[in-house]
Amino acid sequence: SQQGEEDPQALSIQEGENATMNCSYKTSINNLQWYRQNSGRGLVHLILIRSNEREKHSGRLRVTLDTSKKSSSLLITASRAADTASYFCATDEGSARQLTFGSGTQLTVLP
Amino acid sequence: DAGITQSPRYKITETGRQVTLMCHQTWSHSYMFWYRQDLGHGLRLIYYSAAADITDKGEVPDGYVVSRSKTENFPLTLESATRSQTSVYFCASSELRVGTEAFFGQGTRLTVV
Repeated sequence: SQQGEEDPQALSIQEGENATMNCSYKTSINNLQWYRQNSGRGLVHLILIRSNEREKHSGRLRVTLDTSKKSSSLLITASRAADTASYFCATDEGSARQLTFGSGTQLTVLP
Repeated sequence: DAGITQSPRYKITETGRQVTLMCHQTWSHSYMFWYRQDLGHGLRLIYYSAAADITDKGEVPDGYVVSRSKTENFPLTLESATRSQTSVYFCASSELRVGTEAFFGQGTRLTVV
């Protein structure tokens, strides 16, 4: 079953702009992770945020978590063409104890 | 080099044939996972393993068999391939079952004709 759902499914922006992707989930979680997947490659971990955290930063990435709304957002600032990829959220639901991935947001950054 | 490698990268097989996808990791992570990725479904967990000789089913285990005789290897076997098993398969490893970063291989694109 799919726990996280990313929104939008596809996003196209110009280089230098900020990109925001959202993830909504259905049940309580222990933590939430974001992954990037370049075309034809495996997933690469970006950031993990725990249920008791509200915001986390890593370089140009900013992740927020709102457990009351069961949602998270990933902000990429000053985007680059190299940021073009699919981005997935993955939730760790308390009872299942496994990572459940959403269907992803396809980000295209135009040079 | 440390990492997780999958082989083959691409495979075409016929319906009914047995196929084995290989996965090897060099980190000595306890946990290893097999996912399949299909359009519109994200990644779905097939099987996972907590240690050598300890495996368990994930969300979509039917038609697949796994083994883990050594910590570093986690092969996935399709006993009798079906067209619905056409997919991209990813192996991953992590120190813990959840709550830590998972490291993914490059994937195996399997086509069943």
